[in-house]
Order: sequence, then C-alpha cells, then structure tokens
Amino acid sequence: ETGVTQSPTHLIKTRGQQVTLRCSSQSGHNTVSWYQQALGQGPQFIFQYYREEENGRGNFPPRFSGLQFPNYSSELNVNALELDDSALYLCASSLGGSISTDTQYFGPGTRLTVL
Amino acid sequence: GENVEQHPSTLSVQEGDSAVIKCTYSDSASNYFPWYKQELGKRPQLIIDIRSNVGEKKDQRIAVTLNKTAKHFSLHITETQPEDSAVYFCAAKGSWGKLQFGAGTQVVVTP
Repeated sequence: ETGVTQSPTHLIKTRGQQVTLRCSSQSGHNTVSWYQQALGQGPQFIFQYYREEENGRGNFPPRFSGLQFPNYSSELNVNALELDDSALYLCASSLGGSISTDTQYFGPGTRLTVL
Repeated sequence: GENVEQHPSTLSVQEGDSAVIKCTYSDSASNYFPWYKQELGKRPQLIIDIRSNVGEKKDQRIAVTLNKTAKHFSLHITETQPEDSAVYFCAAKGSWGKLQFGAGTQVVVTP
C-alpha cells in the first residue's frame, strides 16, 4: 500500500449539511491533492495544497475548501452539501507542488453519500 | 485547460492476448503522463508513468508510448491475465499543474 490514509471510510449526510474529510500524506511528502470521483468516472481535480498553501484549483465552487497542516496532513471541507456531491473523495500525496512530475499516490478514499 | 480523452471505454480480451488503451490530450505543455489501475472499491494504483523527455517505457508486461507531436499516449498490456481485469485511467499533467484524468477503460480478461 501507499502509506496514504483517509478518514472516515464512509459517511452519510443530508442536503445542506457540512462535512470534513481527512487525509494523512505519505512520509516525506509535502503535497496533497484532492479529487472527486463520481461513479463510473475518472477522478476530477478539486485542489492541491503544497507546504500549507493552496497551489491550484479545479472547477469546484467555493463551498469546497481545504487546509494543510504543518505535518502536511490535509482536510477537505464541503459546505451546504448537495445531492451531486455524493462521490468517492480521494486524496493523493506527492512531493514538489504543481510544477513537479512526481508520482501521486492515492489514499483509499472516503465514500460520501448525500441524502 | 487540459482535456484528456480515453478510448475505448470497455475492452474485452482473451487471456494471453494484448490490450491497448489510447489517450489524447490537448495541452501541448503537458509533461507527465501516468496510468492508474483501479479495482472495484479500491484506490487508483500507479502502474506506469512516462515523462515528456521519453518516448517509450516498459515494465515487464506493461508498456507506455508517447507521441508528443500528435499529443497522444498509449498503454500496452501483453500476455493478459485475469488479474489484469480492472478500470484503467490515463492522466496528463498540463502547464498549470493540474493532473487531468481520462474517463477510464473497463478491461475484462476472460479465461
């Protein structure tokens, strides 16, 4: 396995609620990228954090926000949940930020269901 | 921004035959092209990657080729085995640093 962990494994929320997902990066990695993977689709880039700063963002609304901590672990927060937010949320750990071609190693994901 | 197209969406092969998956990308500044394998309910796992200064890379039964002029890259799996059955994703990292994924190819290897 990759050494990247995520919690929780599964989560059920209702529309309008808020959720926080967590990711611990692989030892030695300073970059965490978050992806949303809807059923039957490829991962879609949400944003990336490099050395505690947001380092790139995909086409997701501001209600998707994040943090990276000094130990390089990261959180993804989603406010005002919508039904379409139901998906597998993956984080990926790597080294070197957006300009790097370093390999991204994925965590096991958090399956979010919004009812 | 980057756009990655992947074909075919499904691929059925007999055990022992070869499988080929093709991807095209739009951003000519893309410089990194990984391939991930995702089994049902599991995380995507890197199987091979190629950087823009290399045209071909091989790792045992898996090879990737890159044609920067045509902006396409391909995954080749030889001597397929039932455990190769999974969804395969190509991806490209563009000038703005975002890793863009293709829609995936469901590969089924039948004994």
